[in-house]
Formats: sequence, structure tokens, C-alpha cells
Amino acid sequence: AQSVAQPEDQVNVAEGNPLTVKCTYSVSGNPYLFWYVQYPNRGLQFLLKYITGDNLVKGSYGFEAEFNKSQTSFHLKKPSALVSDSALYFCAVPHPGYSSASKIIFGSGTRLSIRP
Amino acid sequence: DVKVTQSSRYLVKRTGEKVFLECVQDMDHENMFWYRQDPGLGLRLIYFSYDVKMKEKGDIPEGYSVSREKKERFSLILESASTNQTSMYLCASSSGGRTGELFFGEGSRLTVL
Repeated sequence: AQSVAQPEDQVNVAEGNPLTVKCTYSVSGNPYLFWYVQYPNRGLQFLLKYITGDNLVKGSYGFEAEFNKSQTSFHLKKPSALVSDSALYFCAVPHPGYSSASKIIFGSGTRLSIRP
Repeated sequence: DVKVTQSSRYLVKRTGEKVFLECVQDMDHENMFWYRQDPGLGLRLIYFSYDVKMKEKGDIPEGYSVSREKKERFSLILESASTNQTSMYLCASSSGGRTGELFFGEGSRLTVL
């Protein structure tokens, strides 16, 4: 079955420290991988995606993610966390059985909390 | 700036009422989606539409219906609201293809009493 997993419900980081939010996937074929962020009482916003090419993908707000095929992972990273990064983060992958983006599989979400 | 607009941010309805949630996008996207988001359950797809008047069931369509009469508008209908439909409802759109990202509205928080 196609799936993504976010093993941590919550990640706590001090402001200024590097942060990592983990995501692993189980998808047949070449995966397309996405990260979204949700600020309190808001909809989700696209952060970045991996389609092909360079394994390190840069996105919005200084975030980046590294695609690792051997570990089937797509961890979200930022070198220096800000308090404003506190939010809910979702990893997502489109179901490969569909030609359009109609069936998106979302992870369960990781709540990132940055303390001042 | 691209935009997905949901008509109501907060609604309170009574059990048995018919509820309409409206969503409009201004990006000329083919695909539109309705999700519900509940703590501990993540995002679950209710319905999606890949063209005008076309719709397909998602993972949890029971108790819901949808309407897409125009490309820019996708409505979610609760024929007879129940308390277990209290949730955050998120509308999204995307331009076709599996590489296209979703654009989400701000969400509609529905409480059914």
C-alpha cells in the first residue's frame, strides 16, 4: 500500500537551532514528494516538492528537504529555527495509480514548536 | 496572488439541517477537492472533481455530496448534518498532473449541535 509516515507527533526546538521534521514513504515507482505547512486556524500552504533531479530541494521560508532513495525518506530541514516556524507540517505523496493529483496521501502531521 | 476562497470560516448548525460549504478558486484549475481535518486523523479526502460536473468519491464520502456547475466553484453539501460531522473542512485546487501542488482555502470550521 502507498503511504507516508511522520514518526514524530511533536518536535521541540530552541530558536536559532537547526530543525528536522521526518518523513518516510512507501510508494511504488519514482515518488513525487511534497511538504505543506499549516499555521493555526489556517489552511495548508505548499512549502516544497521533489519531482526529480537534485536530491536537495529548497522551498519557502528558508526550508529545504533531502530526498534519500535508499532510506525512503524526505526529511524537512532548516538551519536556524524561528519562533514563527511553529506550525503543523505535513508530508504528502500523490497516489501513483492516478494520472492527476486526485489522490494525495498525507502524513499524520508533525507539530513543530520553537521556543524563544 | 492565487486564491482559494471558502465562503464561511465558522458555522454553527443544528442536527438535521442542510449545510452548504462553498469554495471558489481563481486559478482556472481543473481539479478541486474537499477534505476534512480532525485531530489525530489528519486530512481525509471527501470528494474531488477533475472537471465541471464531474466528481469522484474520496475516502469518506458518506453523508456528503458535492456540486461543480462551474469550473471555479466546488460546493460541499451535508444533506442532514450530524454531530459527527463537526470538523474543519478544507477546500483545495490544483492544475492537473501528479506534480502540481495543492492550493488550500483558509478552512471552514463547522460545529453541529
